[in-house]
Amino acid sequence: DAGVIQSPRHEVTEMGQEVTLRCKPISGHNSLFWYRQTMMRGLELLIYFNNNVPIDDSGMPEDRFSAKMPNASFSTLKIQPSEPRDSAVYFCASGPQGDSPLHFGNGTRLTVT
Amino acid sequence: EDQVTQSPEALRLQEGESSSLNCSYTVSGLRGLFWYRQDPGKGPEFLFTLYSAGEEKEKERLKATLTKKESFLHITAPKPEDSATYLCAVLNSGNTPLVFGKGTRLSVIA
Repeated sequence: DAGVIQSPRHEVTEMGQEVTLRCKPISGHNSLFWYRQTMMRGLELLIYFNNNVPIDDSGMPEDRFSAKMPNASFSTLKIQPSEPRDSAVYFCASGPQGDSPLHFGNGTRLTVT
Repeated sequence: EDQVTQSPEALRLQEGESSSLNCSYTVSGLRGLFWYRQDPGKGPEFLFTLYSAGEEKEKERLKATLTKKESFLHITAPKPEDSATYLCAVLNSGNTPLVFGKGTRLSVIA
């Protein structure tokens, strides 16, 4: 089991550019979550999917953010256009449904200049 | 709205100096309280789940306890390798996902 795999590990981009973050969840997990972590706000849930279907995207900051899960083994989080305030570490996590613990990837550190 | 507050924000201990981290929570029906460890540059790693008041879980030098309002993570005779950020999260009885606290940054000095 390779765990949750995120790419890239680091992304540096200029304001206004499109950014795409990628996630491969653990095989067999039904749920996938995108979190953002900053020193000020901690871990914030952006969106989550059950069985590839988006369930709650109320945490997505604004329309510049979008997420997709085209199949059970892949998800993307896109920011277009990016802004400096989007700079943070973005985590993907997956888990079986119910109250089982989530498994996190090692994150993508995004810097927007 | 579910809330999780962790204290202290940061804690510095000498090696062997036992202490406790606190996680206070308000939740509409607790289904589970989770403790995670996060090392720099990595994602949170699961440690424990507690389901009901009075429950305790142990792993090496760590022991987690739960009451109706808070959870404690006790660290006995810590070592430098225990240095990390410890995160607490709650899962409620509804359909909403984990809500995390901001964590406690623990430094253990040799």
